[in-house]
Amino acid sequence: NAGVMQNPRHLVRRRGQEARLRCSPMKGHSHVYWYRQLPEEGLKFMVYLQKENIIDESGMPKERFSAEFPKEGPSILRIQQVVRGDSAAYFCASSPSGQRTYEQYFGPGTRLTVT
Amino acid sequence: ILNVEQSPQSLHVQEGDSTNFTCSFPSSNFYALHWYRWETAKSPEALFVMTLNGDEKKKGRISATLNTKEGYSYLYIKGSQPEDSATYLCAFLGGSQGNLIFGKGTKLSVKP
Repeated sequence: NAGVMQNPRHLVRRRGQEARLRCSPMKGHSHVYWYRQLPEEGLKFMVYLQKENIIDESGMPKERFSAEFPKEGPSILRIQQVVRGDSAAYFCASSPSGQRTYEQYFGPGTRLTVT
Repeated sequence: ILNVEQSPQSLHVQEGDSTNFTCSFPSSNFYALHWYRWETAKSPEALFVMTLNGDEKKKGRISATLNTKEGYSYLYIKGSQPEDSATYLCAFLGGSQGNLIFGKGTKLSVKP
């Protein structure tokens, strides 16, 4: 049973470019969470999605960031017009249920570097 | 702003030592506390999800306790081994519709 997959593992973008981060949840999981870890900081919640629905995006920056989880395919976190401050590790996690008492299964993360 | 604090920030022990560290969280609106183990270059791995005051959970040599009234949880490792070296994260959940608020972790290094 493959775990949570994220790709790419490392992504380098120049300022102003777009970054697309992909997350394939564990088989049978329909709930996906995205987290960001800035340097010297802990994991910070960004957005919670179910298939075709954004449930909670209270942690997403208001501009340039968007997320989707289509009926088919991986969840995508999209960052438009990246800036240096977007450099961070982005993790996704999945769970079989939306109940927050379920443990979340994390992917290996995508390390975004903006030059 | 809800704060989750973990202490110490880092810990160095010898193989065979037992150790423990603390997670402090808001005592109001508690719903659950998660513990994760995060080895370098790997994904965070769930250890425990704790929901009841006084709860104690165990997995091998690792155990955790929970005090929701005073807002803290302890993680204990008995007879530390080099493979226990990792960062241990706790995450607080306030309310059934809330989101996990992570501490910065305790980085444990176990010397053989």
